[in-house]
Amino acid sequence: AQRVTQPEKLLSVFKGAPVELKCNYSYSGSPELFWYVQYSRQRLQLLLRHISRESIKGFTADLNKGETSFHLKKPFAQEEDSAMYYCALHLGGAQKLVFGQGTRLTINP
Amino acid sequence: DAGVTQSPTHLIKTRGQQVTLRCSPKSGHDTVSWYQQALGQGPQFIFQYYEEEERQRGNFPDRFSGHQFPNYSSELNVNALLLGDSALYLCASSITGTGTYNEQFFGPGTRLTVL
Repeated sequence: AQRVTQPEKLLSVFKGAPVELKCNYSYSGSPELFWYVQYSRQRLQLLLRHISRESIKGFTADLNKGETSFHLKKPFAQEEDSAMYYCALHLGGAQKLVFGQGTRLTINP
Repeated sequence: DAGVTQSPTHLIKTRGQQVTLRCSPKSGHDTVSWYQQALGQGPQFIFQYYEEEERQRGNFPDRFSGHQFPNYSSELNVNALLLGDSALYLCASSITGTGTYNEQFFGPGTRLTVL
């Protein structure tokens, strides 16, 4: 079965420290993975997708098929990064997303 | 463009009642997906509508049904409400194209409370 696991419900780091939000997936096909973010009082929005291999707001994520992981990283956290982060798997053939349970990231000043 | 809009914002129902939630997609989008997000959980896919037909369905009972109108807006109906149906219901719109994935844009959600 397709599954996305985010092992940390809560993550707290200090401003300027590195951040890594973990995501592991289970899928027999060729995965398409995404990170979505929800800032306070805002709607869920796409942060980045693995196929674009770009850095958004300083965040990057590399797909590791061997470890079935898609961890989100940022070298220097900023206070405005505080938000809820969801890792999501797109199932081929339809625009259906399977989400992890989310990680609440708090950046302390 | 206001993006994806949903109504109502909040709703309180009692067990056994029926509810209808509404969604207007982003301008130019033709596909609507519905997700249920229970407290402390990630969104869970309910179903997707395209060309007024249900195209994909998640693991939800038949009490959950939907509709898409010619203007691409959509409704989610839930019959015989259970306490466990209390959740945030998210609508997402996208364009069905030739690519493998087209970005889904989410609405603000409807918070349903079942008493």
